[in-house]
Amino acid sequence: ETGVTQTPRHLVMGMTNKKSLKCEQHLGHNAMYWYKQSAKKPLELMFVYNFKEQTENNSVPSRFSPECPNSSHLFLHLHTLQPEDSALYLCASSQDPAGELGETQYFGPGTRLLVL
Amino acid sequence: AQKVTQAQTEISVVEKEDVTLDCVYETRDTTYYLFWYKQPPSGELVFLIRRNSFDEQNEISGRYSWNFQKSTSSFNFTITASQVVDSAVYFCALSDPNAGNNRKLIWGLGTSLAVNP
Repeated sequence: ETGVTQTPRHLVMGMTNKKSLKCEQHLGHNAMYWYKQSAKKPLELMFVYNFKEQTENNSVPSRFSPECPNSSHLFLHLHTLQPEDSALYLCASSQDPAGELGETQYFGPGTRLLVL
Repeated sequence: AQKVTQAQTEISVVEKEDVTLDCVYETRDTTYYLFWYKQPPSGELVFLIRRNSFDEQNEISGRYSWNFQKSTSSFNFTITASQVVDSAVYFCALSDPNAGNNRKLIWGLGTSLAVNP
């Protein structure tokens, strides 16, 4: 596999469920990101990891919990979500550590999440 | 404050027409980067181009070209002889040293391009 992969591609969950989103990058990059994309809103940065260390939590509710076991894998653990959390969740990676001006981010295909 | 404006929400063209997608940005800094990404219906954001603020040369890549004008703070994207496969949402983004510790990308809202056969 090449690039950035995400699983699952689609997810429907109830508000009491617990689920996890997985992201894997095959590019040898040092930084990984979670974004939320909702209709009519700019892309929202949620979490940033540099060399496996979390460097950004962009005021994300605690019902979203990230995990980065190594520089190639990133998870987003979900529990007790709300219907307004329904969105496309995108993972990205970059060669340069996040914070380097102008680093290019490469994105996965996203997980389309629906919370009922 | 940093801002990226893509004033065209939706554009519809017929195949083989040329189309220009506008991007206007705001920044106080002299050093910054601009990006264009394409998001087809599959969802993945595909990187198209990165341009730094000191390089005002226009760029051409096949049917794609970009016009960077610092005087008007614009970084417009033109598709020549559009094809149905160009149908997607196109995003412009700004990387700015004043955008916070992680130099977050400032994203526009995107322009949805529909190319009809």
